[in-house]
Amino acid sequence: IVLTQSPATLSVSPGERATLSCRASQSISNSLAWYQQKPGQAPRLLIYDASTRATDIPARFSGSGSGTDFTLTISSLEPEDCGVYYCQQRGNWAQFSFGPGTKVEI
Amino acid sequence: QVQLQQSGPGLVKPSQTLSVTCAISGDSVSGNSVAWNWIRQSPSRGLEWLGRTYYRSKWYYDYAESLKSRITFDADTSKNHFSLRLNSVTPEDTAVYYCARGRSGTYYFDSWGQGTLVTVSS
Repeated sequence: IVLTQSPATLSVSPGERATLSCRASQSISNSLAWYQQKPGQAPRLLIYDASTRATDIPARFSGSGSGTDFTLTISSLEPEDCGVYYCQQRGNWAQFSFGPGTKVEI
Repeated sequence: QVQLQQSGPGLVKPSQTLSVTCAISGDSVSGNSVAWNWIRQSPSRGLEWLGRTYYRSKWYYDYAESLKSRITFDADTSKNHFSLRLNSVTPEDTAVYYCARGRSGTYYFDSWGQGTLVTVSS
């Protein structure tokens, strides 16, 4: 199963909404996670099971979708939200995989 | 709160073995509700899951198909750490290597190590 993400780069002003897309090459139900990665840091889990926020993740981050099409929305972008966002899926036979990422810049 | 602290050499020669260790605090390497994963990241390959180890009355290992012939994991309960060994490395194995925790029955990674940059070069 291959994950594609769009756009590759997203430029958003502070306070605006950011919408990121992740598409799977076949249905993965709701088994999709989102991560945020800032330069020089490890990825941080934001969302799992397509729409459940991880611990301590602000409410401005939300996820939606099922099957093959998924969306991560940042409702009102804060300057600290810049970074690269990755989606990740379970895969078949425990072969987990990630998308190529969307870079969010202010 | 779990913390993962990685260690390992930053430079490995081609054809040799790459080794990285992940020390766990705040959880147990042999816990029956967790799995311990290795993930690497490079500009050419992006984020790539390498495999995992977990304990359910015995040790289990899942490896990425693309690396199965070259990769092994190990866990040391006395030191509460787990390790990655990748043999016959080439420059294409140059990457930042991460350890990460997964929960039983899940597919996502909720805690990560700080990353170890390993460069394969003579």
